[in-house]
Amino acid sequence: DTGVSQNPRHKITKRGQNVTFRCDPISEHNRLYWYRQTLGQGPEFLTYFQNEAQLEKSRLLSDRFSAERPKGSFSTLEIQRTEQGDSAMYLCASSLGLAGGFIYNEQFFGPGTRLTVL
Amino acid sequence: SQQGEEDPQALSIQEGENATMNCSYKTSINNLQWYRQNSGRGLVHLILIRSNEREKHSGRLRVTLDTSKKSSSLLITASRAADTASYFCATDARRGFGNEKLTFGTGTRLTIIP
Repeated sequence: DTGVSQNPRHKITKRGQNVTFRCDPISEHNRLYWYRQTLGQGPEFLTYFQNEAQLEKSRLLSDRFSAERPKGSFSTLEIQRTEQGDSAMYLCASSLGLAGGFIYNEQFFGPGTRLTVL
Repeated sequence: SQQGEEDPQALSIQEGENATMNCSYKTSINNLQWYRQNSGRGLVHLILIRSNEREKHSGRLRVTLDTSKKSSSLLITASRAADTASYFCATDARRGFGNEKLTFGTGTRLTIIP
């Protein structure tokens, strides 16, 4: 399967613990995005990468959150000192971006990682 | 506040009927995309319409875009039980080359009654 994959699919942790999620985008996609979705709401943008460069971060991304994409392929999202308010579905998406003189804007999403903080 | 607002919030129809969902947004956009999400799952990309397009079709889906009214509609024809899901519109604000962060609405929950 060549879609976006995310691991783990579910994570239960105790308040104060650190957690790390991984996203593997579609292989030729240059751009990678992280979103967060709470129950009954649409996804909210957290951050995105163009290759290995992190180009924008939302105000939602507090100092406890950090994202990396070290080689421009997979990405990790780490949450330190988790709080109950961090409980949500964390979604990763990728897009081809600028390629061959065209701009491909469709963002394709992974299945998400559901985080529960006790 | 949300950039995109879907209307209605919930919709129930009989199988075989057509379903129409609407989306309004606030700022100028490059593109508008529609997504489907089954309960507890990731989002499935349905269709993208560019700001210079007015209508687009994909199978049983028809999307319209009215940039003067900052609104879009998604029509699903001949609905099936498998169409039961939440539907979201998402916009990327007109800046740069687009393909940047998407802003989602709260979605329309569609239920198809067999």
